[in-house]
Amino acid sequence: NAGVTQTPKFRVLKTGQSMTLLCAQDMNHEYMYWYRQDPGMGLRLIHYSVGEGTTAKGEVPDGYNVSRLKKQNFLLGLESAAPSQTSVYFCASSYMGEQFFGPGTRLTVL
Amino acid sequence: EDQVTQSPEALRLQEGESSSLNCSYTVSGLRGLFWYRQDPGKGPEFLFTLYSAGEEKEKERLKATLTKKESFLHITAPKPEDSATYLCAVQAAGSFQKLVFGTGTRLLVSP
Repeated sequence: NAGVTQTPKFRVLKTGQSMTLLCAQDMNHEYMYWYRQDPGMGLRLIHYSVGEGTTAKGEVPDGYNVSRLKKQNFLLGLESAAPSQTSVYFCASSYMGEQFFGPGTRLTVL
Repeated sequence: EDQVTQSPEALRLQEGESSSLNCSYTVSGLRGLFWYRQDPGKGPEFLFTLYSAGEEKEKERLKATLTKKESFLHITAPKPEDSATYLCAVQAAGSFQKLVFGTGTRLLVSP
């Protein structure tokens, strides 16, 4: 049981480049979430999904898109990266209200 | 708007010196209050869920308590391996299990 996995672990982008972060869970959870974590600001919800084929906006959705084509995968896309998107990104899945987190992706946008 | 405030921001203890971390919250219909531990460079790790005022949960040297306005994480006789950031989060009823997090308390336990 791998739990929640994220790829890649680290990435450096130039302003304007695009990329996709992949989250996978093997716990058969319906709900999945993408957060960003910045110093002094805590974890903030970007987008979430309550099931395969569904997505919804969280607290800070601007500049990001998501897709949930398969129940076990939740993808986070940056179409045109900006320095303000430099952050650590965490994916989580949820069962009975308890969220289980992945190890994170550290993204730097130059 | 749901809100979580944690204090202190940072806490330095000697090994064996007990203390408490505070989590104050405002939420429209509390479904649950969650405590997580986060080590540097890692994702948050689930510790406890509390559902109603008066509830208490324990795990090793940690004990979490809940009132209608705040939660405490009591650390008894801490060890250096308890050093981490402790995060508090609330979940409102009907929120699709979304969590609103505080900014955390960084705990350092010196031998």
